[in-house]
Amino acid sequence: AQSVTQPDIHITVSEGASLELRCNYSYGATPYLFWYVQSPGQGLQLLLKYFSGDTLVQGIKGFEAEFKRSQSSFNLRKPSVHWSDAAEYFCAVGAYGNKLVFGAGTILRVKS
Amino acid sequence: DTGVSQNPRHKITKRGQNVTFRCDPISEHNRLYWYRQTLGQGPEFLTYFQNEAQLEKSRLLSDRFSAERPKGSFSTLEIQRTEQGDSAMYLCASSSSGIGPNTEAFFGQGTRLTVV
Repeated sequence: AQSVTQPDIHITVSEGASLELRCNYSYGATPYLFWYVQSPGQGLQLLLKYFSGDTLVQGIKGFEAEFKRSQSSFNLRKPSVHWSDAAEYFCAVGAYGNKLVFGAGTILRVKS
Repeated sequence: DTGVSQNPRHKITKRGQNVTFRCDPISEHNRLYWYRQTLGQGPEFLTYFQNEAQLEKSRLLSDRFSAERPKGSFSTLEIQRTEQGDSAMYLCASSSSGIGPNTEAFFGQGTRLTVV
């Protein structure tokens, strides 16, 4: 069965510092991978997705993620964090055409 | 088009009561998904529709839960005889087709249910 692990429940970074959020997945075939962001009281917004091809994926708001098949990982990165990036981030794996399986999320706090 | 709309945004109900939530997807999106999100967890899949056909149901969807999508437009999720364990955020999403390289699932803001 598909599963997603986000090892860090909370992460705190200083504004302007770099960020990496970890995601590990379990899936038998080639995975379709996603990162979503959720601000308080808001729905989920797609940051980026990986289906095939280049393993470094660029997304919105300056985020990128790298797919590493050997490590079953899809970590999210941003070179310089802004206070407005404070939110909860979810990694998800999807089977083509059907549901998404989400991780438990990582709450990002940004120190000024 | 303003995106996926969910109503109500908040619902407080007494245990044992029935509740119904509504989701209006983005126009012409033929796929509609329901997820449940409890505190400290990521969203969990409940069910999805392609047009009016309900194609998959999670085992999380007990007999007290029923979802419909008449005419393939809006959808309703009803919970009968609510229990405190039903307290959660219920999220709806829609997409133009199955999730793929050129499609995306758009999420609504959710309905937060509190059972007291």
